[in-house]
Amino acid sequence: GAVVSQHPSWVICKSGTSVKIECRSLDFQATTMFWYRQFPKQSLMLMATSNEGSKATYEQGVEKDKFLINHASLTLSTLTVTSAHPEDSSFYICSASVFQGGNYGYTFGSGTRLTVV
Amino acid sequence: TQLLEQSPQFLSIQEGENLTVYCNSSSVFSSLQWYRQEPGEGPVLLVTVVTGGEVKKLKRLTFQFGDARKDSSLHITAAQPGDTGLYLCAGAGWDSNYQLIWGAGTKLIIKP
Repeated sequence: GAVVSQHPSWVICKSGTSVKIECRSLDFQATTMFWYRQFPKQSLMLMATSNEGSKATYEQGVEKDKFLINHASLTLSTLTVTSAHPEDSSFYICSASVFQGGNYGYTFGSGTRLTVV
Repeated sequence: TQLLEQSPQFLSIQEGENLTVYCNSSSVFSSLQWYRQEPGEGPVLLVTVVTGGEVKKLKRLTFQFGDARKDSSLHITAAQPGDTGLYLCAGAGWDSNYQLIWGAGTKLIIKP
C-alpha cells in the first residue's frame, strides 16, 4: 500500500535556527501533500496544501515565510521551520492523497516532534 | 466553512462496556474516514465509508455512514484496554486537492 516516510521523528533545536522536515512517498507519486500541526490531545490543524511544482497554499494564520514548503518532486515535500521559537514546538505531520479504489485516500507520515529550546 | 462535529471529545469507560462516537456535519462528503492515533505517531486509517447507509465492521468496531453522507458513527463492542487511543473522523471530497475536514477527536480510555 501507499507509504509515506517522514523524517526526522523528533528534533530538538535552539531558538533562531531552522529545521527541515522531509516527507517522502515511497511507492507512489504524491501530486498533493498536506502539512499538519497537532497540539497535545487535539485534532490535526491543516497548515498548508502543496502541489508538485507549484507554490503551496497556506491556511489563514499560517506564516508562509516562517513555514517554507517545497514540493519539487512527486515523491518529496519538505517543511522548513525558519527562525524557530519555542512556540513552534509541536507535532508536525505530513499526508499525501492517493487515488485508490475509486476514491481519494490519505496516507500519513509518522510525524515529527519538534522541540525548540 | 465546512465543519465536522465529533462527540464525545473524551470518554473513559471500563473494559467490557460498549461505546459510540459520533461525527456530524451539515456538509455532504464523498467519503468519511476514521483514524486512530497513538501518542507520537501519525493517524492510521481504520476504515473509509463511501456509500450512504453503509455499514462496515472491523472486528469489534462497527462504522456507519449516514444515508445523506453527512454523518457517521463508530461503535465499539466490549471495549478492551488495547482500544485506548485518539479516534479521529475526517470528511473527504472529490479531488486530490480537497483537504480533509477533521473532527476534534475523541480521546478514549478503556480501564481494565
